[in-house]
Amino acid sequence: GAGVSQTPSNKVTEKGKYVELRCDPISGHTALYWYRQSLGQGPEFLIYFQGTGAADDSGLPNDRFFAVRPEGSVSTLKIQRTERGDSAVYLCASSLGFPGSSYEQYFGPGTRLTVT
Amino acid sequence: KQEVTQIPAALSVPEGENLVLNCSFTDSAIYNLQWFRQDPGKGLTSLLLIQSSQREQTSGRLNASLDKSSGRSTLYIAASQPGDSATYLCAVCGNTDKLIFGTGTRLQVFP
Repeated sequence: GAGVSQTPSNKVTEKGKYVELRCDPISGHTALYWYRQSLGQGPEFLIYFQGTGAADDSGLPNDRFFAVRPEGSVSTLKIQRTERGDSAVYLCASSLGFPGSSYEQYFGPGTRLTVT
Repeated sequence: KQEVTQIPAALSVPEGENLVLNCSFTDSAIYNLQWFRQDPGKGLTSLLLIQSSQREQTSGRLNASLDKSSGRSTLYIAASQPGDSATYLCAVCGNTDKLIFGTGTRLQVFP
């Protein structure tokens, strides 16, 4: 079946603009995760959804970052007033998991965000 | 706070060699550990998942071991090939369900 998909694959925006990044998880996966990967680093956790609700948003760096998953499937990561430091690859993952489980996470190809 | 370290940061070997990548973590209270492969400009491909109750997992030429009590995992690659060239990431999953990643080992296998 189809894997995790993310759109756009690349996004270039000017400092101060608003951007939305979209993630389509694997069908039937209730858990959805956003991570951010800077050059030469491992991915860092941003936010985790279980169904429609954000179970853990402790990784969001500040209040310019927000994510939603209104119907428990597709998720959108929203970044307001973008800064050059927001430039990174944003990765989405999904799993069958429920809190306390240990299911495998499957990753999408990522969105490369460049803020000029 | 969980911290994950991978050694070496980079490795270059001739084709055919067997090699070992190391991963260590500071908090042994994990649910599982995953090894991923990442090709340049691409997303992550899951290679192996080891549950906390397991000692090792094998897939083809790959074998991953887990010693939870000492906070260590190794990824063994047998008979390396140029197509194995990539960055290898390990990540641990604790009771918060999020993955904590190391910074990766960049592997180059030359013909």
